[in-house]
Amino acid sequence: AQKVTQAQTEISVVEKEDVTLDCVYETRDTTYYLFWYKQPPSGELVFLIRRNSFDEQNEISGRYSWNFQKSTSSFNFTITASQVVDSAVYFCALKPGGFKTIFGAGTRLFVKA
Amino acid sequence: GAGVSQSPSNKVTEKGKDVELRCDPISGHTALYWYRQSLGQGLEFLIYFQGNSAPDKSGLPSDRFSAERTGGSVSTLTIQRTQQEDSAVYLCASSYPAREGESPEELFFGEGSRLTVL
Repeated sequence: AQKVTQAQTEISVVEKEDVTLDCVYETRDTTYYLFWYKQPPSGELVFLIRRNSFDEQNEISGRYSWNFQKSTSSFNFTITASQVVDSAVYFCALKPGGFKTIFGAGTRLFVKA
Repeated sequence: GAGVSQSPSNKVTEKGKDVELRCDPISGHTALYWYRQSLGQGLEFLIYFQGNSAPDKSGLPSDRFSAERTGGSVSTLTIQRTQQEDSAVYLCASSYPAREGESPEELFFGEGSRLTVL
């Protein structure tokens, strides 16, 4: 089965706190790609990062970092020193062999001032 | 415009009526997807078009749903005899197809068409 699970439905933090959004995936493909997208209140999903199954290096981009662990089939996303503008729904997605991108249910993040 | 354009942004209809949702992808993007986002749910894949190939309709929930893509560009998603459970945001996305040996391109999404069936 091909599946993405985001167990956290909603997370609420206070500004400047760090927050980690969990993502667990299932696939039998050996080559696959993982993505994170952000959906702000305006509604339009925006691409954040892409990772392939052969590259387990963690990545940092400003306040954002991603931890990919094949051993646990996880691709977690951490926001450091969160800001109100980070409030959004975040989707983890899996693209196994083929064309279809499979999305998780999303995690709604509230960052309070 | 430079992005994926969808219309209408909002549609309220009565149960049993037909609706058409339109998607204008980014110029040059040969891959086009329709997803459905129900309240509090993830994105449910509906259909995929790639160039002139036959579309993959494996995600369409019933035969009331159909989609076409004319001239490899604009796509229309049609829902016939709408039901209340069809109420959702319908998202269109486009991308360049991945070339062999290269990572797939990310999806570029429109703002969606919010459908409410009364």
